[in-house]
Amino acid sequence: DGGITQSPKYLFRKEGQNVTLSCEQNLNHDAMYWYRQDPGQGLRLIYYSQIVNDFQKGDIAEGYSVSREKKESFPLTVTSAQKNPTAFYLCASRISGSDEQFFGPGTRLTVL
Amino acid sequence: LAKTTQPISMDSYEGQEVNITCSHNNIATNDYITWYQQFPSQGPRFIIQGYKTKVTNEVASLFIPADRKSSTLSLPRVSLSDTAVYYCLVGGLISGGYNKLIFGAGTRLAVHP
Repeated sequence: DGGITQSPKYLFRKEGQNVTLSCEQNLNHDAMYWYRQDPGQGLRLIYYSQIVNDFQKGDIAEGYSVSREKKESFPLTVTSAQKNPTAFYLCASRISGSDEQFFGPGTRLTVL
Repeated sequence: LAKTTQPISMDSYEGQEVNITCSHNNIATNDYITWYQQFPSQGPRFIIQGYKTKVTNEVASLFIPADRKSSTLSLPRVSLSDTAVYYCLVGGLISGGYNKLIFGAGTRLAVHP
């Protein structure tokens, strides 16, 4: 089955620690995205990548970093510089030429 | 990117038709209108996209008036499983951009028995 996966589903970290969220897709999509969602809010774009080895900051990139070494993978690192990291993180991918984004199941990060 | 305004919440009953209207007064000529659905603790799911007039698929219909300053998502005969948040987005790759979609707070639809 083709799809986009995120792991883990729930993640707990102590304040001041960096943490990396995984996002993998086997849809052969070129573009990938990371969003953050807070309770009762919409999604906010953190980073996006349109091709391998290239990525751009979204609206709230401060305190986050990404890499795109492989087409299938777009990991997100939440660094200690992110002031309020507790949130629901969503990864998405899109095939070239289409607007439709396919979302993963999300990772709920809680920083204690 | 055009800003969208939609109701915060709506209530309906099983079997009824639900219409969710979104206003986008500053929509650009090349912008498309897209609707996504999100269930709790899941990622959003694409429902429908249109440019003008009416678009229909197996899930919903999208009505867009000639001035394109608003759009209406129509869900026929809703069931309890349609309880979700519905997002209206304007813009998109086809508009010539890089597919930066802005998700507002959306409309929380609650379907009651």
